[in-house]
Amino acid sequence: DTAVSQTPKYLVTQMGNDKSIKCEQNLGHDTMYWYKQDSKKFLKIMFSYNNKELIINETVPNRFSPKSPDKAHLNLHINSLELGDSAVYFCASSQGTGGFQPQHFGDGTRLSIL
Amino acid sequence: AQKVTQAQTEISVVEKEDVTLDCVYETRDTTYYLFWYKQPPSGELVFLIRRNSFDEQNEISGRYSWNFQKSTSSFNFTITASQVVDSAVYFCALSPNSGAGSYQLTFGKGTKLSVIP
Repeated sequence: DTAVSQTPKYLVTQMGNDKSIKCEQNLGHDTMYWYKQDSKKFLKIMFSYNNKELIINETVPNRFSPKSPDKAHLNLHINSLELGDSAVYFCASSQGTGGFQPQHFGDGTRLSIL
Repeated sequence: AQKVTQAQTEISVVEKEDVTLDCVYETRDTTYYLFWYKQPPSGELVFLIRRNSFDEQNEISGRYSWNFQKSTSSFNFTITASQVVDSAVYFCALSPNSGAGSYQLTFGKGTKLSVIP
């Protein structure tokens, strides 16, 4: 009964391909997030959704498109993958804003672009 | 704009030593939350503690303790009698209490702690 689950855990693909990462949370939270962790371990917010509504869209290329079909899911689709997209992508969720309640993270998806 | 600085990139200690991880933050918000997360070698992010800016009391949880000092904008983390299982990257993070910025965590760059047996 994993709280925040991401699939796949590893994703190896070629430059130019399109790929998706799925995220589901069973905590009943209303806010979900995507973070990117680069090769130097730096974690940076990409998107946050509250009740399926986009709240935060940091300076992320248009090739990245999040989709929230319902409050329990926030998927990340990436078009035309580039070498620089190689990173670990973390999904997270919280009840309300990230400050009032801690964010709970998934185990991450390691994306490697060949 | 908010900023979290973890000046110690890497720390190595011998098992059973005490170690303190430093965290200094910058924010213009009057109310905010501070966090510590642990990322062990397996890669997941584990929540350790959340502290409200109103509450400057230090907190202790087993071998872990946290010292929040608003006057110096610091939220330091001490591990007493370190163990090999404490080896991980530790992240300090900040979130304002309200506004669009509250829908994200601003992380420091992390401190990699290695505990040598």
